[in-house]
Amino acid sequence: GEDVEQSLFLSVREGDSSVINCTYTDSSSTYLYWYKQEPGAGLQLLTYIFSNMDMKQDQRLTVLLNKKDKHLSLRIADTQTGDSAIYFCAETTEGSNTGKLIFGQGTTLQVKP
Amino acid sequence: DAGITQSPRHKVTETGTPVTLRCHQTENHRYMYWYRQDPGHGLRLIHYSYGVKDTDKGEVSDGYSVSRSKTEDFLLTLESATSSQTSVYFCAISEAGVQAYGYTFGSGTRLTVV
Repeated sequence: GEDVEQSLFLSVREGDSSVINCTYTDSSSTYLYWYKQEPGAGLQLLTYIFSNMDMKQDQRLTVLLNKKDKHLSLRIADTQTGDSAIYFCAETTEGSNTGKLIFGQGTTLQVKP
Repeated sequence: DAGITQSPRHKVTETGTPVTLRCHQTENHRYMYWYRQDPGHGLRLIHYSYGVKDTDKGEVSDGYSVSRSKTEDFLLTLESATSSQTSVYFCAISEAGVQAYGYTFGSGTRLTVV
């Protein structure tokens, strides 16, 4: 079945780059997403990438997709303390008319001053 | 997000009692979802709706039922609450299938079953 895996924790120093990794199993994934969850809040969509792309950049965020290895990464440049949060990757599959998203376990990013 | 609200925000209930959580949207989106969030599991889909009176099960639907009698409201009911249903519950909405739009999430309901 569909599965999305992430490492659970990442700690970086303020100003460094953060790289959060995700692997997925469903080769028919069409869109892949990164969500951010701050303490006590719901999830906010950060960015997404369509499966026929291999890179997408949006200000400090860079998403890399290796479709052959089913590997997705989110790079945050110049990480700030405000970036401390849980980051979820998620995927949806081609042909899905229900819009179901499959989420990873979430990676807690800790940014040290 | 102002377009989607969940109520209550917090609830403590006793084992064996029924509990209903409400999700209300003002976006007129067709799709609505209930997820639960637990440490180490991320978010898991409980039930979803693709229109008024049209619902289907997700991966962790046992012990839960849903109803959608109006576009704007999606109710999640725990028929007889158990301690394993202690969790944070999130509602999400989506326009015409998720595609590039992703979801908009509510702020969550923290449910504790004692």
